[in-house]
Amino acid sequence: EDQVTQSPEALRLQEGESSSLNCSYTVSGLRGLFWYRQDPGKGPEFLFTLYSAGEEKEKERLKATLTKKESFLHITAPKPEDSATYLCAVYRSARQLTFGSGTQLTVLP
Amino acid sequence: EAEVAQSPRYKITEKSQAVAFWCDPISGHATLYWYRQILGQGPELLVQFQDESVVDDSQLPKDRFSAERLKGVDSTLKIQPAELGDSAMYLCASSLTGGNTIYFGEGSWLTVV
Repeated sequence: EDQVTQSPEALRLQEGESSSLNCSYTVSGLRGLFWYRQDPGKGPEFLFTLYSAGEEKEKERLKATLTKKESFLHITAPKPEDSATYLCAVYRSARQLTFGSGTQLTVLP
Repeated sequence: EAEVAQSPRYKITEKSQAVAFWCDPISGHATLYWYRQILGQGPELLVQFQDESVVDDSQLPKDRFSAERLKGVDSTLKIQPAELGDSAMYLCASSLTGGNTIYFGEGSWLTVV
């Protein structure tokens, strides 16, 4: 059975304080690993898809990396507007997403 | 920018009543998903459609939930009768056939009282 575990559950950072979010996974037949951002009361917003170990993708202050067992979402010099819940999900051949529980990020001004 | 449309955004219903949610996927997206998200958890798949056919409904509680996509475009998710434990956000998502990016709508919040 697919398992996706995200840590920490919650993270509070000062503006400009860089950090990383972790997503560890157990899945057979991984076709991709997704990162989404979710603001309170809204649907998940697509950020990245990573397909193979060693791959990296960047968007503004965010960089996602992938190994064979985990993915990291690095946040460089975060701003208060980066506050959200970040969800990772694994994507198998059935073209379905299995999500972790998310990391709730709060960036304080 | 194309979006997945959902309605209603918010619904309060009494226990044992019926409730329905509607979804219009991004134009041209043949694959449609319904997910349920309980507060503090990640979304969980309820049902997956390819065009008008159900691909996977193994996690759909079929005694009270039903989903249809009659013309292969928009879709309706129904709950009858609603139970207190059904309170959650119901998310619709879509993707191109063979596409690897799944786009979500804003969700429909259900509160059962």
